[in-house]
Amino acid sequence: DAGVIQSPRHEVTEMGQEVTLRCKPISGHNSLFWYRQTMMRGLELLIYFNNNVPIDDSGMPEDRFSAKMPNASFSTLKIQPSEPRDSAVYFCASSQTAGGNIQYFGAGTRLSVL
Amino acid sequence: AQRVTQPEKLLSVFKGAPVELKCNYSYSGSPELFWYVQYSRQRLQLLLRHISRESIKGFTADLNKGETSFHLKKPFAQEEDSAMYYCAPTQGGSEKLVFGKGTKLTVNP
Repeated sequence: DAGVIQSPRHEVTEMGQEVTLRCKPISGHNSLFWYRQTMMRGLELLIYFNNNVPIDDSGMPEDRFSAKMPNASFSTLKIQPSEPRDSAVYFCASSQTAGGNIQYFGAGTRLSVL
Repeated sequence: AQRVTQPEKLLSVFKGAPVELKCNYSYSGSPELFWYVQYSRQRLQLLLRHISRESIKGFTADLNKGETSFHLKKPFAQEEDSAMYYCAPTQGGSEKLVFGKGTKLTVNP
């Protein structure tokens, strides 16, 4: 398995534009997590899904952020409109509940909003 | 809500010296505790978890419920141990992890 796959690896956009980050979890994993990492705040959980259903979205900063998981093999995190303060590295992770809740991380998407 | 404190942002030791990375958590229940590591240019990965009580790459971590601590230790640090280390307990009974801010360990030759 190639592990958790995120795309794009880097994204540079202008303020006000829509940004869509993508994640493919490890096959067979039933939980998916979106994190944001910044120097100031560290690694923060934004939202997580279990069996494609959002379980906890309390970390989503505001209405500009939305996440979907239409099926077990794909999730998106969308920011609309983007702002410079959204610049960060966004990680996706997946886990299997029966596997002891060990989370496997993707390589991340580095987002720069100018 | 769970809070995690890793008091040292930076830790520098010489090769062969003992190393201890501190972690304290706030939740007084029975969280699961993990240490994750991120080596240069690699993705974040699990190092060890308290349930398994293993030693991974020479590292061990003891859960002290009285002090709500889960410090990571290694008796003889190696240069390849240089990395960012994150302590992460679960929140309540969920699979949600709360990450500390991390400690950057540098092992000098």
